[in-house]
Formats: sequence, C-alpha cells, structure tokens
Amino acid sequence: AQSVTQPDIHITVSEGASLELRCNYSYGATPYLFWYVQSPGQGLQLLLKYFSGDTLVQGIKGFEAEFKRSQSSFNLRKPSVHWSDAAEYFCAVGAVDDYKLSFGAGTTVTVRA
Amino acid sequence: NAGVTQTPKFRILKIGQSMTLQCTQDMNHNYMYWYRQDPGMGLKLIYYSVGAGITDKGEVPNGYNVSRSTTEDFPLRLELAAPSQTSVYFCASSSAGFWFFGPGTRLTVL
Repeated sequence: AQSVTQPDIHITVSEGASLELRCNYSYGATPYLFWYVQSPGQGLQLLLKYFSGDTLVQGIKGFEAEFKRSQSSFNLRKPSVHWSDAAEYFCAVGAVDDYKLSFGAGTTVTVRA
Repeated sequence: NAGVTQTPKFRILKIGQSMTLQCTQDMNHNYMYWYRQDPGMGLKLIYYSVGAGITDKGEVPNGYNVSRSTTEDFPLRLELAAPSQTSVYFCASSSAGFWFFGPGTRLTVL
C-alpha cells in the first residue's frame, strides 16, 4: 500500500522568501503524485500533479515540484512567497493500478510580513 | 457542470443520532470516495466505490456505511454518531488519474 510522509508540520517564511515543502512517498511502482493547497475553511485545490515524463512539474500560483525517484521524494517549491500563500499543503500519492489517493498529514505555511 | 457537490455544509449532531451526508457528481465518473479530515492527520479514506453497486472499505470505515445505487450519488451514512466522528468530510470522484473534491461537510457531534 502506498503512503506519504510530510516531515514538516509547520513552516514560517517571510514574504518574498523562497519556500520548499518536503514530501516522501512509499510505493513500489510508478506513482501518481499530487500537491493540494487548502485555505482555512476551504476545500482542496490542486496545485500540480506528476504522472510521468519530465520530472520538474509546473503548477498554478508559481509553484513547481520535482520528482526524484531515487529519493522517493516530490518536494514543492516556490521562489518568492506571497502573503496569500499562507495555507495548509498536502502531498498525495495515487497508484497507477489502484484508484485510491493517500494523503500526507499536511504542512501549515505561515507567511510573515 | 457543477463537479462534486456535498450537502449539508455544516451539521451538529447529538451523540447517538444518525444522519446521511449527500454527495453527487455530474461528470459520469465511476470512481467515488469519502474522506475525513482531522487536524494534523491529513485525509483518511473511509469508503470508496468503483461503480454503481460496488463499494469497499478504506482505512477508517468503522461507524459508517455507504451505498451506490447510481453513478452520480454516493451517500455516507453515520449510525449512532459519536464524538470521534467530529470531522470535516470530503467526497471526491476520479477519472483517468484526476481527482475532484467537493467543498466538504463540517460535522460536530456533541
């Protein structure tokens, strides 16, 4: 069964600084990988996804993520954070031959002025 | 095209009461899911369905039941509500590796 670990529960970053959120997954075959963002009291919004091909994936809101098979990682990055990026971020893994999506525990991002 | 819709948005239940959370999708997806979200725990899969008439348990099915009589609808039933079922519930559907989530139902059991 697949699983996801997000090692950082909470990250505080200054506005304009760069951001990197870590995600490690466990799955035996090629996974589908996702990053979602959730603002307080809101639903889940898809930032980006990786299925295959280019390991550097561009998403919405200026985010990108890099799939590293050797490290079983799919870290999310943004070069310059805006105050509106304060939210909770979830990494998720899906299986090619299964249809269930497994989520990490989430990382809360606080942006300070 | 409304995507995935859920009702109600909020609900307060007393211990021992029962209720049904409604979920409907208009994308003709075969795969549908119910997740619950608790602080610091991410989303946990409760039940899922791969088509009308077919359902299966996820990670945390105890205290819940589902049915899937049509492709569009996937209701989640809580029998004998308990405080441990206080959570935010998300319904989702998927097709070809894309998942679509509803806006969530915030349930409090007192």
